[in-house]
Amino acid sequence: DADVTQTPRNRITKTGKRIMLECSQTKGHDRMYWYRQDPGLGLRLIYYSFDVKDINKGEISDGYSVSRQAQAKFSLSLESAIPNQTALYFCATSDVTGVGPREQFFGPGTRLTVL
Amino acid sequence: AQTVTQSQPEMSVQEAETVTLSCTYDTSESDYYLFWYKQPPSRQMILVIRQEAYKQQNATENRFSVNFQKAAKSFSLKISDSQLGDAAMYFCAYHNQAGTALIFGKGTTLSVSS
Repeated sequence: DADVTQTPRNRITKTGKRIMLECSQTKGHDRMYWYRQDPGLGLRLIYYSFDVKDINKGEISDGYSVSRQAQAKFSLSLESAIPNQTALYFCATSDVTGVGPREQFFGPGTRLTVL
Repeated sequence: AQTVTQSQPEMSVQEAETVTLSCTYDTSESDYYLFWYKQPPSRQMILVIRQEAYKQQNATENRFSVNFQKAAKSFSLKISDSQLGDAAMYFCAYHNQAGTALIFGKGTTLSVSS
């Protein structure tokens, strides 16, 4: 089974609809992240969470909200979707060693299209 | 604010040859971590190699190695003996010590021909 899972894998929705993207992990990591990927722009950080009670905005948080329901679950919501939120969304997790953060482990991505 | 620049949107290489992908970054911090990730057409993000800024020795992972020049803020990836399966988009990424600054470059698409 995959260590980091995302649901749904693909979603088409209409402008103004509320959308929730879900992420679950079995790696036991405390840190979880949401990114969006746009062609030619790479990955940009939306939100990150270091534990259930610690949630922080990333570079492009406007129009998004998140919920850390448990150590293993981190959801991303678009309250009122708009077409420029059409993108590939990734969830990631990471652990921390004594000297700093380790690499991130990514989910398979969710392709979101807003019409 | 930190930035990561990948100046080569596309690169190509012949099978069995060597190719180098460039990455430069800007930061005022002294402790940080640099990564190369690979994204094949399946879109899965896969870690290729990791470098801690406090280590002077360049990281290597089989056919993949980096040239880390801290003073120049340069972190290039060298792929030796290129294989068809290396064709993918490659992202350079910067993480600060606290894990609060996570910056990716825009990516380099590598094609491999036989």
